[in-house]
Amino acid sequence: AQSVAQPEDQVNVAEGNPLTVKCTYSVSGNPYLFWYVQYPNRGLQFLLKYITGDNLVKGSYGFEAEFNKSQTSFHLKKPSALVSDSALYFCAVREYNFNKFYFGSGTKLNVKP
Amino acid sequence: DSGVTQTPKHLITATGQRVTLRCSPRSGDLSVYWYQQSLDQGLQFLIQYYNGEERAKGNILERFSAQQFPDLHSELNLSSLELGDSALYFCASSVDRTDNEQFFGPGTRLTVL
Repeated sequence: AQSVAQPEDQVNVAEGNPLTVKCTYSVSGNPYLFWYVQYPNRGLQFLLKYITGDNLVKGSYGFEAEFNKSQTSFHLKKPSALVSDSALYFCAVREYNFNKFYFGSGTKLNVKP
Repeated sequence: DSGVTQTPKHLITATGQRVTLRCSPRSGDLSVYWYQQSLDQGLQFLIQYYNGEERAKGNILERFSAQQFPDLHSELNLSSLELGDSALYFCASSVDRTDNEQFFGPGTRLTVL
């Protein structure tokens, strides 16, 4: 079955430290991969996507993600976390040639001063 | 502001009733997506329309239906409402039907009493 897993419900990191939010996926065929962020009482906002090409994708607000086909992972990273990065992060996958979207359960990122 | 508008912002109704949620996509976007976000189910993809036609169907119940009108706005109809239908319903839009990022509206919070 197609799915997206975010193994951590919550990630805590100190401001200025690097952060990683993990995502693994299971789909048939080539995936389209996305990261979205949700702030309290707001809709989701697009951060970045991987369709093809370079495995390291750079996105909004200094975030980047690395696509690893052998590990079927698409982890979100940022070299230096900000308190304002605190939010709920969702990984999503769309199958090539298919149109359904699958979202992970979300990871709450807490960045402490 | 994503450019996607949803009305109403809040909706409170009783079990067995029927409601209609409305979404206006960003100017120029042809695809509209509907999602349900609840605490126990997470973010679930319901359905996608592209230029007036159904494009993909996710975990949408038979009691739910949607349509996209010639002016590209969309409506999600929920009928025979149950307590478990209480959730945040998001609409999103994108330029086309494939791999472009989605822009999410602020959501409609439905409470079924």
